[in-house]
Amino acid sequence: KQEVTQIPAALSVPEGENLVLNCSFTDSAIYNLQWFRQDPGKGLTSLLLIQSSQREQTSGRLNASLDKSSGRSTLYIAASQPGDSATYLCAVPSGNTGKLIFGQGTTLQVKP
Amino acid sequence: DGGITQSPKYLFRKEGQNVTLSCEQNLNHDAMYWYRQDPGQGLRLIYYSQIVNDFQKGDIAEGYSVSREKKESFPLTVTSAQKNPTAFYLCASGLAGGWDTQYFGPGTRLTVL
Repeated sequence: KQEVTQIPAALSVPEGENLVLNCSFTDSAIYNLQWFRQDPGKGLTSLLLIQSSQREQTSGRLNASLDKSSGRSTLYIAASQPGDSATYLCAVPSGNTGKLIFGQGTTLQVKP
Repeated sequence: DGGITQSPKYLFRKEGQNVTLSCEQNLNHDAMYWYRQDPGQGLRLIYYSQIVNDFQKGDIAEGYSVSREKKESFPLTVTSAQKNPTAFYLCASGLAGGWDTQYFGPGTRLTVL
């Protein structure tokens, strides 16, 4: 059974720092991995999707990497800003139905 | 504007009542999903549908029911059999098979009075 873990559960950094969020999964037979952002009381916003054939995806200050063999993905945020404060979730699909298995999330606070 | 809408934003239920949460999408996606989010437990799948007039149970389907009569709509009914329905409910849609990005609605917060 696929399990997804995110470490750390919470992170507080000063503005301007570069930071890394971690996601690990137990079954490496995935065909993609998705990173989401969730603001308090809101829905999920898709940040990046990495297909299994890719090793990296970039969007602005965000860079996500995927290492299937080790069951890991990282989300790198460059030059963090207070507006980056949110919960970040990673998810992998289960089977070919598209249903997602989520990690518990990392709650990020960026202090001005 | 393309996207997913959920209504209402807040919903209050009395004991013994059934309530229905609405989810509509205009992204032309075949697949739609309902997740439940509880503090400290992440998101868990309730039901999903990959095509009109067909749906499957997810990990926590007991006490819930759905229908998929139209491609654009996937309403979720929380029945009185659901013993602990207070949670944040999220609807999502995507391409059948899950090969691409999944998009989420803004959510409905259900509270039992």
